[in-house]
Amino acid sequence: ILNVEQSPQSLHVQEGDSTNFTCSFPSSNFYALHWYRWETAKSPEALFVMTLNGDEKKKGRISATLNTKEGYSYLYIKGSQPEDSATYLCAPYEGTNAGKSTFGDGTTLTVKP
Amino acid sequence: DVKVTQSSRYLVKRTGEKVFLECVQDMDHENMFWYRQDPGLGLRLIYFSYDVKMKEKGDIPEGYSVSREKKERFSLILESASTNQTSMYLCASSLASGGSQPQHFGDGTRLSIL
Repeated sequence: ILNVEQSPQSLHVQEGDSTNFTCSFPSSNFYALHWYRWETAKSPEALFVMTLNGDEKKKGRISATLNTKEGYSYLYIKGSQPEDSATYLCAPYEGTNAGKSTFGDGTTLTVKP
Repeated sequence: DVKVTQSSRYLVKRTGEKVFLECVQDMDHENMFWYRQDPGLGLRLIYFSYDVKMKEKGDIPEGYSVSREKKERFSLILESASTNQTSMYLCASSLASGGSQPQHFGDGTRLSIL
């Protein structure tokens, strides 16, 4: 089992604040990293797939960076809105076992209006 | 659009019963997964399958089995349900692309074992 750590475990911010969280994973045997957003009463949905060291992906106000040499990825949200409230999961993939990833425990973001 | 359908959103069963959770995907995905999610523990993999009739144990397979007779359907079986199997169960599927494709999730089944 991969050791995947996400921090912080939870985060409460005011509307308009920018925020970021971290996903740490073993840097050896890295193949890809997935970020998912999981809103309450919905199913997790994919945000980004990242594969290359130095990758930077962006979707609206949300962006992510990847450092495979040191084994971490950052997710940034600029100008948080209440609809950004969700649990954000990262899932690194080692390149074995047919697409099986190990999920971190997630960072739960609450954005107060 | 991609669709993963789980047979029930909520299910209540009794201790000792044999419980079936069904999952169907309409995307012709090779890989299918069953997870459970408990407060503070994230998503934990129970079993996954990379082809029809093929299955691999995940991180917490004890007390569970699976069946994949057709490509689109992946069933999770609780052989003799116990109260510690009360949880949210999520099914997912993905293309067989070596991990570069994301997983697509169903809405989950909240299972209570009394």
